[in-house]
Amino acid sequence: QVQLKESGPGLVQPSQTLSLTCTVSGFSLTSYNVHWVRQPPGKGLEWMGRMRYNGDTSYNSALKSRLSISRDTSKNQVFLKMNSLQTDDTGTYYCTREVDYWGQGVMVTVSS
Amino acid sequence: DIQMTQSPSFLSASVGDRVTINCKASQNINRYLNWYQQKLGEAPKLLIYNANSLQTGIPSRFSGSGSGTDFTLTISSLQPEDVATYFCLQHNSWPYTFGAGTKLELK
Repeated sequence: QVQLKESGPGLVQPSQTLSLTCTVSGFSLTSYNVHWVRQPPGKGLEWMGRMRYNGDTSYNSALKSRLSISRDTSKNQVFLKMNSLQTDDTGTYYCTREVDYWGQGVMVTVSS
Repeated sequence: DIQMTQSPSFLSASVGDRVTINCKASQNINRYLNWYQQKLGEAPKLLIYNANSLQTGIPSRFSGSGSGTDFTLTISSLQPEDVATYFCLQHNSWPYTFGAGTKLELK
């Protein structure tokens, strides 16, 4: 069945770079888009960016200068890197297949 | 970016009540509107896709309607397990954008 699982550090220091991995199974990264979405504690959801099935990327303009999404199709993994982290980047980060299947999310805290 | 205005932000209802939640898009999104349910500590779960299609495995008491700019999620008879926050999402154009959410509680 379709599964996505996010992994990465739970704690990142301010001004540092966040690196997250989304490992997928049950579908091919060359057939479906994978997106990244985040949610600050107690708040709403924000669409961050996507890795398209053909390798192209799209980014939310609000994050574009800090965000990079890449993939390794041989490992069924999609990567998110975001630099210059601040405390308001704290939240749960999700990867999703298109708009249907979601990973469980990974909590990231930005704090010194 | 398309703005999604969701209402109400908070809703209190009794078991068996009919509940409606609305989302209004700042421009035409055709029928590219999904509804999600998020329970505390869990990932969002897709309930309705493309405005009115029920996702597999979702109870039939959930339904969606609308097109263009105005959309509605209806729960025909509220059950205790429906306590959650509900979000709409437009996926007509990039970047996809969410409504701010409706927190549904039992009266």
